[in-house]
Amino acid sequence: DAKTTQPTSMDCAEGRAANLPCNHSTISGNEYVYWYRQIHSQGPQYIIHGLKNNETNEMASLIITEDRKSSTLILPHATLRDTAVYYCIVSGYGNKLVFGAGTILRVKS
Amino acid sequence: GAGVSQSPSNKVTEKGKDVELRCDPISGHTALYWYRQSLGQGLEFLIYFQGNSAPDKSGLPSDRFSAERTGGSVSTLTIQRTQQEDSAVYLCASTLLGFQETQYFGPGTRLLVL
Repeated sequence: DAKTTQPTSMDCAEGRAANLPCNHSTISGNEYVYWYRQIHSQGPQYIIHGLKNNETNEMASLIITEDRKSSTLILPHATLRDTAVYYCIVSGYGNKLVFGAGTILRVKS
Repeated sequence: GAGVSQSPSNKVTEKGKDVELRCDPISGHTALYWYRQSLGQGLEFLIYFQGNSAPDKSGLPSDRFSAERTGGSVSTLTIQRTQQEDSAVYLCASTLLGFQETQYFGPGTRLLVL
């Protein structure tokens, strides 16, 4: 069972920041927050993950609230190629990933 | 280097036939996963192989589904007596060591059971 809640879909203007929220109010202390995305007709692609500190890599930033009950994935300058389904997943170290329905992000020119 | 590859990319079969789906993980990756994705749905975990340990088969939906991994590398997912509800995209992923790491996914095999 997915432990996260995400909006079904979001729109973002090209070049603007895309902020994708995720609620995980039942997260436990040893569980990580992972983000993957799936572009149409492709396998999922890892984006970023974190435990409690904010994380940044070449693709995105992950902001986790202090109580860890929610997080936001930020794509700083969205492009048309970022249109995809974004999955927020909560999982303990060494445990399997459970993918929910995700958020459909549509980047529009 | 080469990523995860899967074959065939598409498979159409008749109800009741057996099918075999193949996954070639990234060289050196010890962990391999199979998922299923039905149309418009999220990914459903099927089975997990880690090194020489017994596989985690907890996600297999019925005894018609089985998988093996030979020589710690290539894996085959077999579906016996296929049913129409087996139609889905079957995805394979691998990691260097285990679940805690980034999973690298293949392109999937699209199975259609008529």
